[in-house]
Amino acid sequence: AQSVSQHNHHVILSEAASLELGCNYSYGGTVNLFWYVQYPGQHLQLLLKYFSGDPLVKGIKGFEAEFIKSKFSFNLRKPSVQWSDTAEYFCAVKPNTGKLIFGQGTTLQVKP
Amino acid sequence: DAGVIQSPRHEVTEMGQEVTLRCKPISGHDYLFWYRQTMMRGLELLIYFNNNVPIDDSGMPEDRFSAKMPNASFSTLKIQPSEPRDSAVYFCASGSSYNEQFFGPGTRLTVL
Repeated sequence: AQSVSQHNHHVILSEAASLELGCNYSYGGTVNLFWYVQYPGQHLQLLLKYFSGDPLVKGIKGFEAEFIKSKFSFNLRKPSVQWSDTAEYFCAVKPNTGKLIFGQGTTLQVKP
Repeated sequence: DAGVIQSPRHEVTEMGQEVTLRCKPISGHDYLFWYRQTMMRGLELLIYFNNNVPIDDSGMPEDRFSAKMPNASFSTLKIQPSEPRDSAVYFCASGSSYNEQFFGPGTRLTVL
């Protein structure tokens, strides 16, 4: 079965630290890839997406993600986190012949 | 644009009662999605519509769940009868394509 795996369930960082959240998926064909963010008490918002082209994707608020096809990965990165980045982050994968599947989410806590 | 509107935001009901969740998608969006979010199972797609027609309801847990979209600006998700295990946050999302989904604020359902 197709699945999305986010390895880190809970990450705690200090402000200005660098962030990398892992995301791997199990599907050998063409995929569209997404990262969503859910701030406390709010709804999911799209951070960035990859459909094709440059595998390094830049999103909002300084986030970026790199699609590495050989590793079936789409890791999210930010060079320097802020307290306001405290949120839950979801990786999602849409196989070309399937439905959008979300990972379990990673809770990021940034300490001021 | 007001975004995706969901009502109610919170619902507390007793086991066996009928629950109706409502969603108004963003005007002009042809796709509408219903998701359920729980700690145990994460974010799951229940059903989605395209041009008011249900396309994939394979995620609907059982016959107690039903969804309708009588017109382009309104959809309901009904649970009858409700059970404690249905307690979750239910999100509605809409988009102009399957790959572009804008989420509503969610309805937090508690079944006692």
